[in-house]
Amino acid sequence: EAQVTQNPRYLITVTGKKLTVTCSQNMNHEYMSWYRQDPGLGLRQIYYSMNVEVTDKGDVPEGYKVSRKEKRNFPLILESPSPNQTSLYFCASSHGTVGDQPQHFGDGTRLSIL
Amino acid sequence: GNSVTQMEGPVTLSEEAFLTINCTYTATGYPSLFWYVQYPGEGLQLLLKATKADDKGSNKGFEATYRKETTSFHLEKGSVQVSDSAVYFCALSDQGSGNTGKLIFGQGTTLQVKP
Repeated sequence: EAQVTQNPRYLITVTGKKLTVTCSQNMNHEYMSWYRQDPGLGLRQIYYSMNVEVTDKGDVPEGYKVSRKEKRNFPLILESPSPNQTSLYFCASSHGTVGDQPQHFGDGTRLSIL
Repeated sequence: GNSVTQMEGPVTLSEEAFLTINCTYTATGYPSLFWYVQYPGEGLQLLLKATKADDKGSNKGFEATYRKETTSFHLEKGSVQVSDSAVYFCALSDQGSGNTGKLIFGQGTTLQVKP
């Protein structure tokens, strides 16, 4: 089954404790991306990757890091989490970056930073 | 910059009622337009899309027409069901930033359908 898998689904942690949210896709997609969803703001892009070893900032990259060492994986790293990073996070993937390609989303990771 | 504006929710309807969720956009160039649906506890799923002016996207009884003259992409369904209860997001492909593949989302509209 074609899917984007995120882990963990839920996490409560404390300020400053490094954490990683994993994302894996099994569709051989070149393009992967991270979004955060906040009430009243919709989804905003954090980082994206066009292909292996190619990453770039989205609209709200501050406080986040990513890496793309393998095509299928695109982890999101919070080196020193803060309460304003409490949010619902989604990983997405698609073939290429052509504008009409639909993106496939994971089920989301809900992070609470205390 | 490019942006998407959706009507405020929540929208509450009775089963079999007609649905319209308004979406307008601001964009340079010719973006593709999408509606995504998010069911409780799940990620976003593509509902329908349109890639050029006057295109009509349709799926599962939902329709939306790409109106360039009014910069709109309103979502409609003739007869909603309880199972349509979800959050609906209008989005456009942000071609103004060098084809990065980024989607610009509206804030989402919650639909609740009562039996």
